[in-house]
Amino acid sequence: RKEVEQDPGPFNVPEGATVAFNCTYSNSASQSFFWYRQDCRKEPKLLMSVYSSGNEDGRFTAQLNRASQYISLLIRDSKLSDSATYLCVVSSYSSASKIIFGSGTRLSIRP
Amino acid sequence: EPEVTQTPSHQVTQMGQEVILRCVPISNHLYFYWYRQILGQKVEFLVSFYNNEISEKSEIFDDQFSVERPDGSNFTLKIRSTKLEDSAMYFCASSSNSPLHFGNGTRLTVT
Repeated sequence: RKEVEQDPGPFNVPEGATVAFNCTYSNSASQSFFWYRQDCRKEPKLLMSVYSSGNEDGRFTAQLNRASQYISLLIRDSKLSDSATYLCVVSSYSSASKIIFGSGTRLSIRP
Repeated sequence: EPEVTQTPSHQVTQMGQEVILRCVPISNHLYFYWYRQILGQKVEFLVSFYNNEISEKSEIFDDQFSVERPDGSNFTLKIRSTKLEDSAMYFCASSSNSPLHFGNGTRLTVT
């Protein structure tokens, strides 16, 4: 089983739609969870950390389910600028460790 | 906002040559990382570095690779004898605890 697994997509949705991405991780000792976005040929950029209680940042909502080893990202009212690859990132310890990226989910927003 | 800087942005080298990729992490960060991304593929962990030593490394990080923090600011990745399959985007990252902050990357092309 892959350490971090994501649906590769692509997701192609109209502007204004709500879209959800899922991610599963295999290591139950994982401590920290993040969503990054990556634009074509650019570096990954932090979108948001994922907290146990779930958290929201504007149109973005992240959820964590430790029992199922599952993370989600919900994007509401999607914009054209949301088109990117979304990377699920998991680390096994708090820091200075192997931080693993999922293969990413491609999202394309159409006008 | 402080940022991680990488040089060069693009490096072309012949197979068998040594290359050194350079990174200047964010100044108060203590944890440093190298990742690579082959075109069209996922971001892969290479190595993490803390307190002047390697804390984790992946199977990719074999004897051809080494890292160094030669002074208080630079963090380098050396590939001793490059192979065609080393062609990729190499990202440096740093963190104070978490999450990771990435540099813009160095595109390495091995011919």
